[in-house]
Amino acid sequence: GDSVTQTKGPVTLSEGTSLTVNCSYETKQYPTLFWYVQYPGEGPQLLFKVPKANEKGSNRGFEATYDKGTTSFHLQKASVQESDSAVYYCVLGDRGSALGRLHFGAGTQLIVIP
Amino acid sequence: EAAVTQSPRNKVAVTGGKVTLSCNQTNNHNNMYWYRQDTGHGLRLIHYSYGAGSTEKGDIPDGYKASRPSQENFSLILELATPSQTSVYFCASGAGTGGYAEQFFGPGTRLTVL
Repeated sequence: GDSVTQTKGPVTLSEGTSLTVNCSYETKQYPTLFWYVQYPGEGPQLLFKVPKANEKGSNRGFEATYDKGTTSFHLQKASVQESDSAVYYCVLGDRGSALGRLHFGAGTQLIVIP
Repeated sequence: EAAVTQSPRNKVAVTGGKVTLSCNQTNNHNNMYWYRQDTGHGLRLIHYSYGAGSTEKGDIPDGYKASRPSQENFSLILELATPSQTSVYFCASGAGTGGYAEQFFGPGTRLTVL
């Protein structure tokens, strides 16, 4: 079945440093890939999505490239801020599903120290 | 204004008791979903619905029932609550099929079963 594996957290960084959260996926179909972010006390919300292989998505300084060859979708940011502290989920969208099914990774907690 | 709301936000129940978690969406989306969130597991799908009157089992349906009486409302029912059902529960709505579309999440319900 479909699955997603991502960097195990927590990841603790100082403000101004760079971030990489690794994400690898397994699937037999051609998925859409998402990054969701969850702030304390809230539900997950979409950060960005990439429906096509070899394309890049970005939002709020975060970016990730859909690499079909290595089945990866790593999240990067050049300079993190304290407000980026949250849990980040790598998510696989099942195109074969009439439901619009999403498969979530375990999540990576990011803690940014000022 | 919040498009997906959940009630209650916090609930303490006793083992063997009945618990009903409610979700309302104003997005006019056909699809609705119930997930639970546990450390190390990300979000796991319990039940989902394609529209009023329909409910389907997700990946971990045992011990849970669902009800979709209208387009806007989707409930999760624990007939005989157990301590293993202590978790944070999220409701979501989505318009799309084929895994392309974003899902919109509510703020979550924290359930503790004693």
